[in-house]
Amino acid sequence: SQTIHQWPATLVQPVGSPLSLECTVEGTSNPNLYWYRQAAGRGLQLLFYSIGIDQISSEVPQNLSASRPQDRQFILSSKKLLLSDSGFYLCAWSDLATSNYGYTFGSGTRLTVV
Amino acid sequence: AQSVTQPDIHITVSEGASLELRCNYSYGATPYLFWYVQSPGQGLQLLLKYFSGDTLVQGIKGFEAEFKRSQSSFNLRKPSVHWSDAAEYFCAVGAIGNEKLTFGTGTRLTIIP
Repeated sequence: SQTIHQWPATLVQPVGSPLSLECTVEGTSNPNLYWYRQAAGRGLQLLFYSIGIDQISSEVPQNLSASRPQDRQFILSSKKLLLSDSGFYLCAWSDLATSNYGYTFGSGTRLTVV
Repeated sequence: AQSVTQPDIHITVSEGASLELRCNYSYGATPYLFWYVQSPGQGLQLLLKYFSGDTLVQGIKGFEAEFKRSQSSFNLRKPSVHWSDAAEYFCAVGAIGNEKLTFGTGTRLTIIP
């Protein structure tokens, strides 16, 4: 069966520090991968999605970047965090095959920038 | 462009009462529809999904949803809520070949004893 791992679960970082959040998927190949952010009390904002290695689309221009160095690994990064980067970050994977179509989410990372 | 509207930001119901969460969508093609639930501090969990066939779909935790094409709706229901159902609920729409789902803004459900 497929599983998705996301870490760390919580992170407190000072303003101006770098960021690296990692997401890996097991049990499937060539998944679509997604990074979402939830600000406090708000809905889901799609940040990046990837349909393959080194194929990444950015939905919202901002202080973040994403990379996919391996088929089942998706990394969210920042060189210098801003206070506004605080939020709950969710990774998800999707299989476009009919039977599996839809997202499966990781458990999330709570990022607090101080 | 596809869109999803969840008109209720926050709903409060008594434990044991019935529940209906509304979802309306706009999509040019035949939609695939989803309901997800998010407990505080957790990721989103799939409750149920509709692809085709019977318009009444059953999900986990006793939830069901009915697809009504004429009303562009996919409302979530539960006959008797439990305190553990308190969470945020998201409706989403997509289609085969579309790489991204479109999510509604969510409905927060509070259960009172």
